[in-house]
Amino acid sequence: DVKVTQSSRYLVKRTGEKVFLECVQDMDHENMFWYRQDPGLGLRLIYFSYDVKMKEKGDIPEGYSVSREKKERFSLILESASTNQTSMYLCASRSSGLAAFEAFFGQGTRLTVV
Amino acid sequence: AQKITQTQPGMFVQEKEAVTLDCTYDTSDPSYGLFWYKQPSSGEMIFLIYQGSYDQQNATEGRYSLNFQKARKSANLVISASQLGDSAMYFCAMGWTNFGNEKLTFGTGTRLTIIP
Repeated sequence: DVKVTQSSRYLVKRTGEKVFLECVQDMDHENMFWYRQDPGLGLRLIYFSYDVKMKEKGDIPEGYSVSREKKERFSLILESASTNQTSMYLCASRSSGLAAFEAFFGQGTRLTVV
Repeated sequence: AQKITQTQPGMFVQEKEAVTLDCTYDTSDPSYGLFWYKQPSSGEMIFLIYQGSYDQQNATEGRYSLNFQKARKSANLVISASQLGDSAMYFCAMGWTNFGNEKLTFGTGTRLTIIP
């Protein structure tokens, strides 16, 4: 059974903390994505990666960075967490080479910054 | 720039009726794919159906069908004979290749509520 696993389901952090959200996939997918989901705004792409050590900014990269040292792992980093980064964060992975391949999602991390 | 638009924030539908969820898109890329996902209250994202830009026929998967009108740039999801378990958020998404980078962008979603 294919799987995308996010390290935490719920997370509470303080303003100014450095926060790491981890995502691991076991499908050997080339592409991995980080989205944030907010009511009324849908899923907005933060960053994506199409290969190890390769990354591209999405639509809302400000305040975030990413790391992909191994193919199966894609980390989202909040350098200095702020309250406006309180949100649901979804990781996804997708195979490369054909537009038909759907993305597989993790269970989500609900992050609260206080 | 590529964009997905879902204009229905919420819908209420009587059980057993058919439902159409609207999705329009904007792209200048000739090769792209359109996806629909369901997100129940549990939060998981469930892939429902896919339509390729070069596909001649509308995609169908069980009770789900995709009404693809390429000239109008619309990809509406049709759910036949709705059930209580269809109550969820529904997202339309578009995927394409840009110099080897394969983005996937989503709309704002429609919350569907099925009334008994």
